[in-house]
Amino acid sequence: DTEVTQTPKHLVMGMTNKKSLKCEQHMGHRAMYWYKQKAKKPPELMFVYSYEKLSINESVPSRFSPECPNSSLLNLHLHALQPEDSALYLCASSLGQGPTNEKLFFGSGTQLSVL
Amino acid sequence: RKEVEQDPGPFNVPEGATVAFNCTYSNSASQSFFWYRQDCRKEPKLLMSVYSSGNEDGRFTAQLNRASQYISLLIRDSKLSDSATYLCVVNIGSSYKLIFGSGTRLLVRP
Repeated sequence: DTEVTQTPKHLVMGMTNKKSLKCEQHMGHRAMYWYKQKAKKPPELMFVYSYEKLSINESVPSRFSPECPNSSLLNLHLHALQPEDSALYLCASSLGQGPTNEKLFFGSGTQLSVL
Repeated sequence: RKEVEQDPGPFNVPEGATVAFNCTYSNSASQSFFWYRQDCRKEPKLLMSVYSSGNEDGRFTAQLNRASQYISLLIRDSKLSDSATYLCVVNIGSSYKLIFGSGTRLLVRP
């Protein structure tokens, strides 16, 4: 069982909607990640937070807005998405003592469909 | 050149076979190396870290070749339950930027 919890598991939204994906972990990890995965492709890194500060943004469009309110929570705010943004969005966490040997623990993901 | 590259497969092997996967990386400053396993419609799960000296966990052996910038995974005595996609993960430089290879699909047949 994963110790990283993501909600919702499934989300369908229109291109004008605003929605948020949520991720929570209680392992005391201080690094948290958002990855995007399209079918039959590997996960692609979007954002990394280290000690609640954004440390990596992989040139993600501004319609994706991450937020890390505290060390246990990570949100991804979505606005004016495009159909090509439909994918599995995976949250992960790691100890945050790194960056060497930072093992990622994933949530089960949010399957997003943009209509 | 991609930062992390793998042979996509699929590898189709009989039960009991030994199979090996390779993964190459482009950044010589990379310090962390992992193998993950991903089942269909599930999240990736850590299989094992890869250390310079090589490491073994039961039927799985991982090795790192820094000079040639590749890592490998050897699976001995394949089981049906080993069927999955195997993803190598490498950190880019000395950062939290953990990048996945494209994955190698393994099918173990009875």
